[in-house]
Amino acid sequence: EPEVTQTPSHQVTQMGQEVILRCVPISNHLYFYWYRQILGQKVEFLVSFYNNEISEKSEIFDDQFSVERPDGSNFTLKIRSTKLEDSAMYFCASKGGDSYNEQFFGPGTRLTVL
Amino acid sequence: RKEVEQDPGPFNVPEGATVAFNCTYSNSASQSFFWYRQDCRKEPKLLMSVYSSGNEDGRFTAQLNRASQYISLLIRDSKLSDSATYLCVVNTPNFGNEKLTFGTGTRLTIIP
Repeated sequence: EPEVTQTPSHQVTQMGQEVILRCVPISNHLYFYWYRQILGQKVEFLVSFYNNEISEKSEIFDDQFSVERPDGSNFTLKIRSTKLEDSAMYFCASKGGDSYNEQFFGPGTRLTVL
Repeated sequence: RKEVEQDPGPFNVPEGATVAFNCTYSNSASQSFFWYRQDCRKEPKLLMSVYSSGNEDGRFTAQLNRASQYISLLIRDSKLSDSATYLCVVNTPNFGNEKLTFGTGTRLTIIP
């Protein structure tokens, strides 16, 4: 069964450093998403991406965040200058072309900012 | 008012019992509704979509009341493997874009 994959599974970084979280969505999917979940809190939407551009972003997704689909298979989330409060689990998701298709989630990357 | 609000839990129920979860949502424009399951430190996984007519999948039954903006999930004959956090999730399209809005989740523990 096709699945969304994410690397690394755990990333530890120093405050102020840049991190890139990587995702490989399911191959024929057209819509891509990033969500985050701070420990003990709810899953929060960050950004959606379609047709090589951001289609919607939340208030959390400020200028420190960016997304890219550099090669037609990977989908990346970059945090330019990490803060302590960026520590969270980051989930990538992808969805096929039909409106009511399910969003499939990857296993997540746990980001720890020290 | 929270966009998606769920019973706070936790629910600790004996194996074989029936357990019900409730959820309300605030945006009347929401169009799709789901229950996801999340195991500890894992990704959310779709349990079932929720339709106005109600739908059943084995031991799981989901109901939607659009007028009350209320969603429910019933688990019958609970198993130890049902222990997880259950997330009420709403999809609110916005000019063709969509995002999932999650509730905080209700933790369920099935006791042997």
